[in-house]
Amino acid sequence: GEDVEQSLFLSVREGDSSVINCTYTDSSSTYLYWYKQEPGAGLQLLTYIFSNMDMKQDQRLTVLLNKKDKHLSLRIADTQTGDSAIYFCAEMGAGNMLTFGGGTRLMVKP
Amino acid sequence: DADVTQTPRNRITKTGKRIMLECSQTKGHDRMYWYRQDPGLGLRLIYYSFDVKDINKGEISDGYSVSRQAQAKFSLSLESAIPNQTALYFCATSDRGTSGGVWETQYFGPGTRLLVL
Repeated sequence: GEDVEQSLFLSVREGDSSVINCTYTDSSSTYLYWYKQEPGAGLQLLTYIFSNMDMKQDQRLTVLLNKKDKHLSLRIADTQTGDSAIYFCAEMGAGNMLTFGGGTRLMVKP
Repeated sequence: DADVTQTPRNRITKTGKRIMLECSQTKGHDRMYWYRQDPGLGLRLIYYSFDVKDINKGEISDGYSVSRQAQAKFSLSLESAIPNQTALYFCATSDRGTSGGVWETQYFGPGTRLLVL
């Protein structure tokens, strides 16, 4: 089946930029998503990018997509302690179903 | 998302017991999903339903069953719970859309934490 991979953990200092990376295998992906999960909560959609785009910026968030390498990244500028959470990458592939990565836990140190 | 609610939020049960997790949504979406989350494995799809008369198995349906009682309600049952079904369970909904895209963005409930002893 299709696969989505993420590193498990990232630690940054408050005010720095965070970059969370994701790789996927499905070349037919249409949309790619970033979800945020705060402790005790469900998944909240952060942003998405269509597969024919290279970049999307939304306030402090920048999504970069390298379709050739099947690599997706999420950059959070000026990271705050409130950004501490688990971030999931997901791709929409065949049958319009989502495949999720394992999640990256972002820890922001004051 | 308050539009998608799950009950119970936490549940402890014993091996062999039957248990039902319930999901309700007020978003008016046709499509509903059940996922389980295990640490480091992300979310894996158990079952999904594109409308009231449509039920489909996901990646890991063994040991689970579902019922779509109405457009707004989708319940997940564990017929005979076992310890490796201990996990966080999420319900999600999405709107009927065109061929993929933001129209099919999935909205998640807060999750049900299940412990099987």
